[in-house]
Amino acid sequence: AQSVTQPDIHITVSEGASLELRCNYSYGATPYLFWYVQSPGQGLQLLLKYFSGDTLVQGIKGFEAEFKRSQSSFNLRKPSVHWSDAAEYFCAVGAAGGYQKVTFGTGTKLQVIP
Amino acid sequence: NAGVTQTPKFQVLKTGQSMTLQCAQDMNHNSMYWYRQDPGMGLRLIYYSASEGTTDKGEVPNGYNVSRLNKREFSLRLESAAPSQTSVYFCASSGPINLGWGDFGAGTRLSVL
Repeated sequence: AQSVTQPDIHITVSEGASLELRCNYSYGATPYLFWYVQSPGQGLQLLLKYFSGDTLVQGIKGFEAEFKRSQSSFNLRKPSVHWSDAAEYFCAVGAAGGYQKVTFGTGTKLQVIP
Repeated sequence: NAGVTQTPKFQVLKTGQSMTLQCAQDMNHNSMYWYRQDPGMGLRLIYYSASEGTTDKGEVPNGYNVSRLNKREFSLRLESAAPSQTSVYFCASSGPINLGWGDFGAGTRLSVL
């Protein structure tokens, strides 16, 4: 069965600092990987996705993520964080074929301090 | 183009009451999903529907039922609400995973007293 681990429950960074959110997945084949962002009281918005090809993927709002098969990781990065990036971030892994079920991690809450 | 629409946005129930959460999508997606979100537990799949006419259990189906009314609509029913069902419920729809996955509704915040 597929699973996702986000080891950091809560991260605090200063505005302008770089950010890396960790994600490790478990899946038997090449996974479909996603990062979503959820602002308070809102639904989830897709930041970026990886299916195949270039292992460094670019997303919206200046985010990027790198797929590392050897480490079963898909970490999310941003070079310079803005106060508006404060939100909860979810990593997710999906399976191709069938019903395309996607499994979510438990989330990392990002706090940005001035 | 409204995307995924959930109703109601908020609901308070008493233990034992029943209610139905409604979800509709206008993106012609085949697959639809119901998740619940609880603090520290991420999103957990309750039920999903891979296509019109089919439904299957997810990770946490107990206490819930679903109906895929047509391609657009997928409802979630709580027959006898319990305090453990206090949560935020999200509906999502998707097309083929390789074309992207997961358009979410804005959520329904449910409290069971």
